Amino acid sequence: EAGVAQSPRYKIIEKRQSVAFWCNPISGHATLYWYQQILGQGPKLLIQFQNNGVVDDSQLPKDRFSAERLKGVDSTLKIQPAKLEDSAVYLCASSLGSGGSYEQYFGPGTRLTVT
Amino acid sequence: SQKIEQNSEALNIQEGKTATLTCNYTNYSPAYLQWYRQDPGRGPVFLLLIRENEKEKRKERLKVTFDTTLKQSLFHITASQPADSATYLCALDEGDSNYQLIWGAGTKLIIKP
Repeated sequence: EAGVAQSPRYKIIEKRQSVAFWCNPISGHATLYWYQQILGQGPKLLIQFQNNGVVDDSQLPKDRFSAERLKGVDSTLKIQPAKLEDSAVYLCASSLGSGGSYEQYFGPGTRLTVT
Repeated sequence: SQKIEQNSEALNIQEGKTATLTCNYTNYSPAYLQWYRQDPGRGPVFLLLIRENEKEKRKERLKVTFDTTLKQSLFHITASQPADSATYLCALDEGDSNYQLIWGAGTKLIIKP
């Protein structure tokens, strides 16, 4: 079974530039998550999709971050314009369903450096 | 305020011994608690899930306990090996209709040969 795919693995941009990340979840997984992980901290949920609908985006800085999940499969996360504090690893995960009873499968992450 | 606490300092354990990691939480009433392993440069990998009505869960050399009175979960690795060295994260649901997991910062475990 193929795992969660993410690209790119690394990205370096200057502040005020824009960047986009792509995620392909495990086939058949209805729920897709985007997390931000800062060094030394646990993952922080940015947005959670159930199929192609948003379940939770309460911690997504909507003035600069946007995400979509077309056709309930792949997803993209965009930052425009980037700030220095956006430097972090962006993790995509998927699961069969939503809630604490479902284990999450993570991709390798995208390490973003904003200079 | 709501929070999850894991040992912030690295835990150094001699190979062959049992490693015990702690996850404490306040102001949550989770129905589920999960443990993940994260290696440098990689995403977390699921290890075990335990329900609020379960006291203990085992998988090979791993054991998790869940004490809802103490608001604490313990994660044990028996007969530890250098390959067990990693950061271990606990995550729990908020026990209501909110579907997201709340994550601890993780504990770095170092198994010395």
